[in-house]
Amino acid sequence: GDSVTQMEGPVTLSEEAFLTINCTYTATGYPSLFWYVQYPGEGLQLLLKATKADDKGSNKGFEATYRKETTSFHLEKGSVQVSDSAVYFCALKENTGFQKLVFGTGTRLLVSP
Amino acid sequence: GAGVSQSPSNKVTEKGKDVELRCDPISGHTALYWYRQSLGQGLEFLIYFQGNSAPDKSGLPSDRFSAERTGGSVSTLTIQRTQQEDSAVYLCASSIEGTSGRFEQFFGPGTRLTVL
Repeated sequence: GDSVTQMEGPVTLSEEAFLTINCTYTATGYPSLFWYVQYPGEGLQLLLKATKADDKGSNKGFEATYRKETTSFHLEKGSVQVSDSAVYFCALKENTGFQKLVFGTGTRLLVSP
Repeated sequence: GAGVSQSPSNKVTEKGKDVELRCDPISGHTALYWYRQSLGQGLEFLIYFQGNSAPDKSGLPSDRFSAERTGGSVSTLTIQRTQQEDSAVYLCASSIEGTSGRFEQFFGPGTRLTVL
């Protein structure tokens, strides 16, 4: 079955550091890929998505590129802020009709001033 | 409010008791989903409702779990004879519709269930 693997956390960075959170996937078809973020005490929010190979999703300074050849969708940000501290989930969804979201286990990011 | 709401936010129960978790989706959203977030396990899909169609129950872990959606709006997830392994955060999400796969799922804040 489909699966998502992402790096374990916590990832601890200083403000303005460069962020990479790795995500790789296994899928039978050609899924859409997502990054969700969960801020403390809040619900899960869609951060960005990409629906086909070589697409780049971007939002709030975060970027991720859909790499079919490496089955990856790594999340990057050039300069993190304290307010980026949250748990980040990589997910995929097959594109045929209803398909459940398949999530990774989440990576906690802690940014210190 | 405009978002998905869930109640209660926290629930502590004793092993063997039944619990009910409630989800109010965004008004007008025909698709509703339940997920479970267990420590170290990520989020698992539990069940999906689309309009008046029969729900997709393929993610329910056992027959102790059931869910209903009344009037195409509010949903209740029921866990009977709770076990300690049921302890998790239960998340509800809704979307405009689910069959095309094109619409974003909006998540509620979750209900944290602790089974003692």
